Amino acid sequence: GQQLNQSPQSMFIQEGEDVSMNCTSSSIFNTWLWYKQDPGEGPVLLIALYKAGELTSNGRLTAQFGITRKDSFLNISASIPSDVGIYFCAGLNAGGTSYGKLTFGQGTILTVHP
Amino acid sequence: EAQVTQNPRYLITVTGKKLTVTCSQNMNHEYMSWYRQDPGLGLRQIYYSMNVEVTDKGDVPEGYKVSRKEKRNFPLILESPSPNQTSLYFCASSRLSLGLELFFGEGSRLTVL
Repeated sequence: GQQLNQSPQSMFIQEGEDVSMNCTSSSIFNTWLWYKQDPGEGPVLLIALYKAGELTSNGRLTAQFGITRKDSFLNISASIPSDVGIYFCAGLNAGGTSYGKLTFGQGTILTVHP
Repeated sequence: EAQVTQNPRYLITVTGKKLTVTCSQNMNHEYMSWYRQDPGLGLRQIYYSMNVEVTDKGDVPEGYKVSRKEKRNFPLILESPSPNQTSLYFCASSRLSLGLELFFGEGSRLTVL
């Protein structure tokens, strides 16, 4: 299947620091999604991106859809302890017979030290 | 309350004993999907369904079956479970018009001995 390379795999930061993570793909996607998973729960959608070059914010979170449609990044500003969790990117195929196939990255485990 | 409900949440079973993990959503979503989550591998799609009676394979469909007889339900069937199917499973649903902004269930942790 398709591969999404998400990096970094894990991050250990101090409260108040900014965080950046990204995903790259060998394939073109027409939608990029960013999710957060808290321990023991299912992932929750943070940001959805639908157009190449799109930059979208949700509070302290900012995500961009790369202009090549093969990458996306997520930034978290001024991290707080509740930002702890696993962050996943996901790409939706550009159409054709594979529409509906959502591919996830391996996840970035974020730890925030008070 | 809008939700995706999976059952059971935890299950320990033995190799070869057929089992079904149920998934139900109350949001009238067209799209439903199953994922497995394994350490270091993220979430991998098993099967998805764009609507009733329409199902397609994801990236790791081997050893699994699904059915979509009703819009709200999308059960995952393991006909003959094996230890390599020990994993955390998530069901998710979405309206197709939302570009697949998935709502996830709470997960089902399956152990196959």
